[in-house]
Amino acid sequence: DAKTTQPPSMDCAEGRAANLPCNHSTISGNEYVYWYRQIHSQGPQYIIHGLKNNETNEMASLIITEDRKSSTLILPHATLRDTAVYYCIVRVFSSGSARQLTFGSGTQLTVLP
Amino acid sequence: KAGVTQTPRYLIKTRGQQVTLSCSPISGHRSVSWYQQTPGQGLQFLFEYFSETQRNKGNFPGRFSGRQFSNSRSEMNVSTLELGDSALYLCASSLAGGTNQPQHFGDGTRLSIL
Repeated sequence: DAKTTQPPSMDCAEGRAANLPCNHSTISGNEYVYWYRQIHSQGPQYIIHGLKNNETNEMASLIITEDRKSSTLILPHATLRDTAVYYCIVRVFSSGSARQLTFGSGTQLTVLP
Repeated sequence: KAGVTQTPRYLIKTRGQQVTLSCSPISGHRSVSWYQQTPGQGLQFLFEYFSETQRNKGNFPGRFSGRQFSNSRSEMNVSTLELGDSALYLCASSLAGGTNQPQHFGDGTRLSIL
């Protein structure tokens, strides 16, 4: 699976949009981009995933560049409860087996009041 | 829809003992994966089960084993516990292997070895 690079930490003001970048310059055509977050003492929480089109769900939006070498997770109106470590993962699928997730160091997002 | 349920949430054991952890996947999910998370090593894959068969295994010693039942529930066993086994053990379920459907995690079992 392709390696990802994320900034170690970011701050965001409560109520503002949080834009978390991820670089995955070695991504291949059949690799999806996934975002998870982990709040202290809890298991990782799935946020969103995509292949090449931008995606939006009730939690966030995922913007993938046209060359697919980077992506941005957008939390449109950050709250204090969004303070967590955010992980960007790229993952390929082989038929018949769920490829294990490999989490990097992630980005510690701190939402400030 | 209920999420992934792991029991117990906390466990304290001593060296040499064995432990069994339980995971109930999201209803309808047939693939269950187990991970170990420690501050130093991060998230490490243990194994994956689908239809009661282990299909994928990480680089852990044979003291770590697991199984999956016909209702997709899974258990993980660690024998001859060592101090280094202290970790958060996470279970994740997904609809099936080989798709782009995401894995959903439980809140884990925090195992402490004294």
